[in-house]
Amino acid sequence: GAGVSQSPSNKVTEKGKDVELRCDPISGHTALYWYRQRLGQGLEFLIYFQGNSAPDKSGLPSDRFSAERTGESVSTLTIQRTQQEDSAVYLCASSLERVAELSYNEQFFGPGTRLTVL
Amino acid sequence: AQSVTQPDIHITVSEGASLELRCNYSYGATPYLFWYVQSPGQGLQLLLKYFSGDTLVQGIKGFEAEFKRSQSSFNLRKPSVHWSDAAEYFCAVYTGGFKTIFGAGTRLFVKA
Repeated sequence: GAGVSQSPSNKVTEKGKDVELRCDPISGHTALYWYRQRLGQGLEFLIYFQGNSAPDKSGLPSDRFSAERTGESVSTLTIQRTQQEDSAVYLCASSLERVAELSYNEQFFGPGTRLTVL
Repeated sequence: AQSVTQPDIHITVSEGASLELRCNYSYGATPYLFWYVQSPGQGLQLLLKYFSGDTLVQGIKGFEAEFKRSQSSFNLRKPSVHWSDAAEYFCAVYTGGFKTIFGAGTRLFVKA
């Protein structure tokens, strides 16, 4: 019955290093989203997974960003060769399966990972 | 292009006073509209949503919002603010597929 969890809650890294962020969705939620929230800005969509379908990666800002999801469980977002502009809060959300084009299932958000690149 | 605008970056209200947070959207079809709240260190929590029907929707924590198609607005209101309402509020529009577009947020400060 737990909500979406993310780890670590905070990550400080040096420019050029790789980082890996983890998201544990709500059990039974087949859809999973990653967002980036820069200071003073809204949420920026990064990537979407639904079930076994190919993920939509159209929001990833560069090829330094990648994400994987094992089945309908944990997802990891990897940022390679981090840059200072990658500093942000990375939010994960999960929802039930979307069954129609305009159908909507509420997204449940994790607390986020605050990434600081020095 | 679809967009969501929250004109106020931050708002300060006294505890017990009424609150209205503004939201304007740009979307060609009938939108699905949402308000989320984000408390410090927390993820976003859905306050309320509008899909169709009655243009005045009630949400959790005593919040309500009114959809005005003619003004492309979906303003959030609360008659009496509590100190625990201090948080950041995001308006969002669902445009179909899986994409939800979020506004930049309005930070609410509540003074005693």
